Amino acid sequence: DQQVKQNSPSLSVQEGRISILNCDYTNSMFDYFLWYKKYPAEGPTFLISISSIKDKNEDGRFTVFLNKSAKHLSLHIVPSQPGDSAVYFCAASENDYKLSFGAGTTVTVRA
Amino acid sequence: DVKVTQSSRYLVKRTGEKVFLECVQDMDHENMFWYRQDPGLGLRLIYFSYDVKMKEKGDIPEGYSVSREKKERFSLILESASTNQTSMYLCASSFKLAGAHNEQFFGPGTRLTVL
Repeated sequence: DQQVKQNSPSLSVQEGRISILNCDYTNSMFDYFLWYKKYPAEGPTFLISISSIKDKNEDGRFTVFLNKSAKHLSLHIVPSQPGDSAVYFCAASENDYKLSFGAGTTVTVRA
Repeated sequence: DVKVTQSSRYLVKRTGEKVFLECVQDMDHENMFWYRQDPGLGLRLIYFSYDVKMKEKGDIPEGYSVSREKKERFSLILESASTNQTSMYLCASSFKLAGAHNEQFFGPGTRLTVL
């Protein structure tokens, strides 16, 4: 049973607007969360992370929000650019090296 | 830059064949991982290794084995390939620092088709 769920398989957004990707988890022992980005024919690359002791982490155009009580996190991309078109995976960890991944959300940024 | 390389980008094998997928990393990482990626299921952990000759089962180890004879190399073995093992296989590596959550670095993947 998947402990990390991304319920939206795809998202289409216009260039310059905000992209919001959502992720839910069931394991209350998860204490670290990551977002990975994957282009076709390439491996996933790390994008941004957040510890469970925080509720927000920002890196340039990317911000991750964590709501522990709801077991929910989201990734905001502002403004969205054509190069952001990719598959985004949410991942979570309850120790220092093993990750559980969601199914991914495919983002398409329209010009 | 961290580099994780995988021996093949595309591989086609027949049912029952023994298949070896090789992964090499050049950053002296202690941890190495094998995942498979399937549509709608994301990345699922098959096996991982936190040291030479050490291995632990992930979430879906059935039908697979691994070998880690050298720190930089982690091999995934399909003893007798089956059609349900057709998938994208991704190798990753990371440091093992106590008390730290360490980013995993991924290779480009091997698209395996079993006929």
